[in-house]
This record gives sequence, structure tokens and C-alpha cells, in this order.
Amino acid sequence: GESVGLHLPTLSVQEGDNSIINCAYSNSASDYFIWYKQESGKGPQFIIDIRSNMDKRQGQRVTVLLNKTVKHLSLQIAATQPGDSAVYFCAESNDMRFGAGTRLTVKP
Amino acid sequence: DGGITQSPKYLFRKEGQNVTLSCEQNLNHDAMYWYRQDPGQGLRLIYYSQIVNDFQKGDIAEGYSVSREKKESFPLTVTSAQKNPTAFYLCASSRDFYNEQFFGPGTRLTVL
Repeated sequence: GESVGLHLPTLSVQEGDNSIINCAYSNSASDYFIWYKQESGKGPQFIIDIRSNMDKRQGQRVTVLLNKTVKHLSLQIAATQPGDSAVYFCAESNDMRFGAGTRLTVKP
Repeated sequence: DGGITQSPKYLFRKEGQNVTLSCEQNLNHDAMYWYRQDPGQGLRLIYYSQIVNDFQKGDIAEGYSVSREKKESFPLTVTSAQKNPTAFYLCASSRDFYNEQFFGPGTRLTVL
């Protein structure tokens, strides 16, 4: 699994730009992946999920891409807004442990 | 409204005292979890329960204890054996072990 206790990597984008947040997973048998968003002082909330039989899934302004060959996930946020500023976590279905997350800051 | 609640939102305790954090869900979920989050850090798993009357240690269970006597409740006790208990504690539940987790609002514990 991923290391815990590391400081969150950060991503800073300009309002209106697209954001891409990356995540690597370790278990090649994982078949379901979830992205969560955590705003300051709150619990994480579900954003979007994807099953391993898909390469791409789109939601409202968000897209998740799955590359099983290199065990990599990405979350793309279109036209990033100040309200998107938060910490984003990816998670695998059969491992309730979370990665360190990425702190997204949107500059006006 | 269905959801998961944690109380209290803020909790202050003196060093050496045990304290119990409440977590309740009315989503009829089988699985429940406790995580700890320190400033600027990710979530670390303390304990989890897949079903009533059963629970398992996570990565940082030392100094903590839980019970799961009812499906809707999963209280966490932070004991005096926990060396650095000041943190943000998050409870979550899921329909079963392999589905998305629903998180509570968290309890911020400060030990003075």
C-alpha cells in the first residue's frame, strides 16, 4: 500500500483552467475505484467512481481515466472553480485505506 | 434524512482521560470505519467493522478501542494509552466492504 503520514502533494491552477489529479494504485486485482473530495474541516465526499471494465467515465465537469496497464488513475476537472479547492483522494474498493491525497488550490 | 452523524464536533479532554467519540448511521450499512487525520496528512485507518459484533484493527489501532453492538452505531474510545490523541477523527460507513464510503462530519479532539 501507499505510505501514510506524508504531506499532501499540491496542485495550484487558475480559475477556468482544467485540473488533472493523478493517483497510483498497487493491487492489480482491484476492480472498483472511487474519487473523494474533502473540503476543509469536513469529511470526504464521493465524487465519481469507475469499474475496471471501463477506461473512462464522465460526470458533471469531472472525468476519471483508468489505465490498468500501469495501475494509474486520473481525475480531470474541467473549468476549475474556486469551489473545487479541496483535497482529493483516490481509493480502491478492496482496500479501505486512502492515499495521501492532493490539495487543489484554485487561484482567482 | 439518511446519513451518518458524529458527535460532538469539537471535544476537549485532559491528558490521561479516556474519551468516547460517537458515530451513528441510519443508512442500514453493514460496514463502518474509523480514520484519524492529522493536519496536512491523509486518512489513517484505526478500526473497521464489516458486520455487527465483529471488528478488525487497522493500521494505527494502538491506544484505541471500539465496539459494534448495534448495526447503526460504532463508537471509538481514545484511551490514555494513545500517546498523541489530538487529531481530526472521521467515521464512515458503506453498504458492504467493497462499496463507496459515506463519511460523517468528523470530531476534532484536542487533548490539553
